[in-house]
Amino acid sequence: QVQLVQSGAEVKKPGASVKVSCKASGYTFTTYYMHWVRQAPGQGLEWMGIIHPSGGSTNAQKFQGRVTLTSDTSTSTVYMELSSLRSEDTAIYYCARRSSIYGFDYWGQGALVTVSS
Amino acid sequence: EIVLTQSPGTLSLSPGDRATLSCRASQNVSSSYLAWYQQKPGQTPRLLIYGASNRATGIPDRFNGGGSGTDFTLTISRLEPDDFAVYYCQQFVGSPLTFGGGTKVEIK
Repeated sequence: QVQLVQSGAEVKKPGASVKVSCKASGYTFTTYYMHWVRQAPGQGLEWMGIIHPSGGSTNAQKFQGRVTLTSDTSTSTVYMELSSLRSEDTAIYYCARRSSIYGFDYWGQGALVTVSS
Repeated sequence: EIVLTQSPGTLSLSPGDRATLSCRASQNVSSSYLAWYQQKPGQTPRLLIYGASNRATGIPDRFNGGGSGTDFTLTISRLEPDDFAVYYCQQFVGSPLTFGGGTKVEIK
């Protein structure tokens, strides 16, 4: 069965960077795009970017220069690195797969990133 | 950027009621590129509807999506206790992909 398993919670200081991983299993990793979505406490969903596991990514303009999306096909894992962290980046970060339909059919369990001095 | 505006913000209904949720886009969205999600507290979002009107795998037929252009709706024909949650619409036209602000369906 399809699973997206993310790394654990992180606590970071303002100005630091965080790297969240998302390991995929149960399907051919290189077939489908992976997206990153975040959700601040008590808030809605915010799209951050997209990566094709074989290469190529696009970030939302809001995160230009701060977000790096990468992929490791040898371990079926995608990564999201967010730099220059500020308190407003405190959120749950999700990876989500888009298969052949226009909808995110599988989601990682989420990784809580807390930015606090 | 396409802005999705969901209304109402909160819907207070009883089990067995019909729920109608609205999602209005600031620009035309092809029906193929509109999805709906359900999120319960402490859980990840779950895909309900894709392509505006197609139920995702395992989604009960009391959930129905419709609409076109700039106006889309999600209808839950008879609310069950498990349906009280927050619902989000999402569009896949261009970049950035965007979500609506959500509609909370709460027990009256």
